Amino acid sequence: DGGITQSPKYLFRKEGQNVTLSCEQNLNHDAMYWYRQDPGQGLRLIYYSQIVNDFQKGDIAEGYSVSREKKESFPLTVTSAQKNPTAFYLCASSTRQGSDTQYFGPGTRLTVL
Amino acid sequence: RKEVEQDPGPFNVPEGATVAFNCTYSNSASQSFFWYRQDCRKEPKLLMSVYSSGNEDGRFTAQLNRASQYISLLIRDSKLSDSATYLCVVTNQAGTALIFGKGTTLSVSS
Repeated sequence: DGGITQSPKYLFRKEGQNVTLSCEQNLNHDAMYWYRQDPGQGLRLIYYSQIVNDFQKGDIAEGYSVSREKKESFPLTVTSAQKNPTAFYLCASSTRQGSDTQYFGPGTRLTVL
Repeated sequence: RKEVEQDPGPFNVPEGATVAFNCTYSNSASQSFFWYRQDCRKEPKLLMSVYSSGNEDGRFTAQLNRASQYISLLIRDSKLSDSATYLCVVTNQAGTALIFGKGTTLSVSS
């Protein structure tokens, strides 16, 4: 089955720790995205990548980092510099960056204890 | 004016009702428009793209008014399974990303 997978589904972290969220897609999509969603809020773009080894900051990139070493993978690291990391993190992909339809993974719920 | 604005609801309707959601957007240069559906604690899923001529998919009809920068979604004969949050989505000013509204919550009851 083609799709986007994210792991883990739930993640708990102590303050001051970095944590990496996984996102993998087998849709052969060029573009990948990371969003954050807080309760009652819309999705906010953290980072996006159009092609391998290239990525750009979104609206709320501070305290996050990404890499795009393979077309299929776009991991997100939430660093200790992120002041309010508890949120629902969603990864998405599209055939190309920009206005194309985006398809989402099931998300990772991160809770900082 | 916010980039994408939606009435948050909730809209509480009985089964079989017709319900309409509205959305306004600020960027007159936006080229692509979508409605996504998000169930509680799940990821958003594409419901339908919105075209200038309007489009219909079964019980769902989407309309776009570029002059007024307004998008609508009409759901006819509501089902219990339609209960969800509906997200209005448009492209940003540069055409490089999608902007998501906060969503409108629909609750259909029997």
